[in-house]
Amino acid sequence: GENVEQHPSTLSVQEGDSAVIKCTYSDSASNYFPWYKQELGKGPQLIIDIRSNVGEKKDQRIAVTLNKTAKHFSLHITETQPEDSAVYFCAARPSGNEKLTFGTGTRLTIIP
Amino acid sequence: DTAVSQTPKYLVTQMGNDKSIKCEQNLGHDTMYWYKQDSKKFLKIMFSYNNKELIINETVPNRFSPKSPDKAHLNLHINSLELGDSAVYFCASSQPGANVLTFGAGSRLTVL
Repeated sequence: GENVEQHPSTLSVQEGDSAVIKCTYSDSASNYFPWYKQELGKGPQLIIDIRSNVGEKKDQRIAVTLNKTAKHFSLHITETQPEDSAVYFCAARPSGNEKLTFGTGTRLTIIP
Repeated sequence: DTAVSQTPKYLVTQMGNDKSIKCEQNLGHDTMYWYKQDSKKFLKIMFSYNNKELIINETVPNRFSPKSPDKAHLNLHINSLELGDSAVYFCASSQPGANVLTFGAGSRLTVL
């Protein structure tokens, strides 16, 4: 089955700086890669996703990049703000499979 | 209107007891899930139902029994609770092929 590794497990960034979270996956059949944000006391919420036919996707201050050859994908947050503080999860799903496998999570803290 | 609602939000019980967590979604989705999040924040899928039929059943002890009376509801019953069952349990829903999971706010189970 799919295995997703995520680094770092914790990340502290000065407000206004950029944050990068990286994930690797094992199943070459995976073709869908979402990122979820989990705020304290809440369920995870989708913030951005990318499919395997695209190398990069951007939505305002958030971008995701995908390297299918290396089986890497990354989340980039620019101009970080205090409300970006949360736990972020990457995930991967193989084609034709309903099962989404999550990474181990990154706790991002934005220092004012 | 809450899209995916879970009850109860908190549950404290003794070892050996039986308890249930209920989930309802008003999004019209066909697929519902149960995820377990442990103290290290790892998110692991337990079960998935599509239109009341079980489609994913991970290696979960038989003490856990999901029940889907209709496609808008997926309940989780746990028998003979153990200390290791302490976790936050998340219900989620999606449309098949639509990729996006919508999570509930979670139910924190503490077994003493």
